[in-house]
Amino acid sequence: DIQMTQSPSTVSASVGDTISIRCRASQPISSFLAWYQHKPETAPKLLIYQASTLQDGVPSRFVGIGSGTDFTLTIRGLQPDDFATYYCQQYASFSHTFGQGSTVE
Amino acid sequence: EHLVESGGRLVQPGESLTLSCAASGFVFSDYSMNWVRQAPGKGLEWVAYISSLSGSIYYADSVQGRISVSRDNGHYLVFLEMKNLRGEDTGLYYCVRGGYCHGGRCFSAALDLWGQGTGVSVS
Repeated sequence: DIQMTQSPSTVSASVGDTISIRCRASQPISSFLAWYQHKPETAPKLLIYQASTLQDGVPSRFVGIGSGTDFTLTIRGLQPDDFATYYCQQYASFSHTFGQGSTVE
Repeated sequence: EHLVESGGRLVQPGESLTLSCAASGFVFSDYSMNWVRQAPGKGLEWVAYISSLSGSIYYADSVQGRISVSRDNGHYLVFLEMKNLRGEDTGLYYCVRGGYCHGGRCFSAALDLWGQGTGVSVS
């Protein structure tokens, strides 16, 4: 199975900051990488797919880059609504796997 | 477009449970479906995948042999049957749309539509 490793596990930031979260795949996955935002008591929300394509309605301050094994999610100008846990996920195989999650606090 | 899960409850170890998910607002038979779970205090874990016409099914190693996913396209339903439940199966189970089939081939895709989840407690 493809393993996904996210870092850091926690990001301490303030409104207006720019932060980045990294995700590494245990083997090349081309661009079959998605990012999700998850807040307590709500369903996870797809932010980015194909490593860099924004899902409809997602603000442009969310930026995804990468291909192969290394990926990054950057949030430019953090907003109060952005404090949440973020997960990367590979879908290069049907056996999808998630990273461990990164909490922006 | 909505997904609504049901069937989660408190069960004892070793018991069985079937979760259901009702889809609406989209052509259900066009899409593959998944189950994803989250144990208390833990991250997201993909559990199962079923293609649009049930021709391809995949399970996570952690549940292989104990779960079975199925669907009823006529009634816009997907099911997750779980047997021999263990404490580590406790969590919130999400029904999630992701993937499609076309021209006889199925393609994996990001998980773009999530239900609100149904809770399973094994104790």
